[in-house]
Amino acid sequence: QSALTQPASVSGSPGQSITISCTGTSSDIGSYAYVSWYQQHPGKAPKVMIYGVSNRPSGVSNRFSGSKSGNTASLTISGLQAEDEADYYCSSYTTSSTWVFGGGTELTVL
Amino acid sequence: QVQLVESGGGVVQPGGSLRLSCAASGFIFSTYGMHWVRQAPGKGLEWVAFIRFNGNDKFYADSVKGRFIISRDNSKNTLYLQMNSLRPEDTAVYYCAKIDDPYYFDYWGQGTLVTVSS
Repeated sequence: QSALTQPASVSGSPGQSITISCTGTSSDIGSYAYVSWYQQHPGKAPKVMIYGVSNRPSGVSNRFSGSKSGNTASLTISGLQAEDEADYYCSSYTTSSTWVFGGGTELTVL
Repeated sequence: QVQLVESGGGVVQPGGSLRLSCAASGFIFSTYGMHWVRQAPGKGLEWVAFIRFNGNDKFYADSVKGRFIISRDNSKNTLYLQMNSLRPEDTAVYYCAKIDDPYYFDYWGQGTLVTVSS
């Protein structure tokens, strides 16, 4: 049950686009379309931003999009805004009937 | 609206036990699986355990297997986490979360802090 691999930090200027990668294995990301992404502001509970690789829950901005290729999933945020500054976590269901999270990525809006 | 409210956190000595509760409302609790997820201070999220809607199947992270027990009482709309043989590395905010299809965490509680220290 090793954690998925995410970059520790990414940054971008307002209006720009950034992409956060999430690398797993053939036992998790590579086996299912069950990748989800969560945004967490300091001191708050996580909030789902993407589920099922590329689906947005109602109320989440269409500036957030997700994709997957092989064992790697990606979250792209376009038109960066100050309010997007937060920690982001990917998650996947696994072939062991468990779930695994990535280590988290701190997004800084410059 | 969906609400998940955790309780039962606190300070406990290494080797001790604690039971967390998660009171659910705003949805038909008995038809959804539920998770526990934790976050150590300054660290990332770690999935802890999952229980199916009827309580018949339970799954655990290797780090807690044999020490923690997830359970639920559908008549009380409440999820539980019995934590035994606690270790300092179990110190974290513990969140309960509701599952939705396909296999993601759609609602989270506000969390309850567990501190394992002598």
